Amino acid sequence: SQKIEQNSEALNIQEGKTATLTCNYTNYSPAYLQWYRQDPGRGPVFLLLIRENEKEKRKERLKVTFDTTLKQSLFHITASQPADSATYLCALDELSGNTPLVFGKGTRLSVIA
Amino acid sequence: DVKVTQSSRYLVKRTGEKVFLECVQDMDHENMFWYRQDPGLGLRLIYFSYDVKMKEKGDIPEGYSVSREKKERFSLILESASTNQTSMYLCASSADGRGGNTIYFGEGSWLTVV
Repeated sequence: SQKIEQNSEALNIQEGKTATLTCNYTNYSPAYLQWYRQDPGRGPVFLLLIRENEKEKRKERLKVTFDTTLKQSLFHITASQPADSATYLCALDELSGNTPLVFGKGTRLSVIA
Repeated sequence: DVKVTQSSRYLVKRTGEKVFLECVQDMDHENMFWYRQDPGLGLRLIYFSYDVKMKEKGDIPEGYSVSREKKERFSLILESASTNQTSMYLCASSADGRGGNTIYFGEGSWLTVV
């Protein structure tokens, strides 16, 4: 069966450290993978998109990797700050007709000062 | 900036009532979506639409219907609300179905059915 899993429901790290969130998938062939941030009580907001032929993408303190062999994406936040505390969602895009994005359940990140 | 506006932020409805959740986007996007989000279950797709007057079932369409009479507006209808439909509902839109498009979400509508 098809599955998309984010490694943990919650992750606590200290301010200044690098946070690493994992997204694994089974029985999907995504052409793109996206990461979103969701603050409590708000809708998710797009952060980064990576294509299947890209190994890595960066945006300021954010870095995403995509390994189609391992069927895994890693999302890194370097020099983390308390303002980075939020839930982070990964989403797969199979580029198959009009198939909508498939979202993981998210990882709730808490950055402790 | 793309804006997806959901008409009601908080609603309280009685069991059996008909409920309308309205959503409008201002970027001429072809695609619109309705999700519900519950603790521990993540985002679940209810219905989506790729064009005016078109609709497709998502993962959990039972108990819901939708209407898309105009490109910018996508309505979610609960024909007879039940307590298990208490949830946060998120509307979203994206440019087209060719892939690599980001989804823009509204702020969410918190529905409580009593």
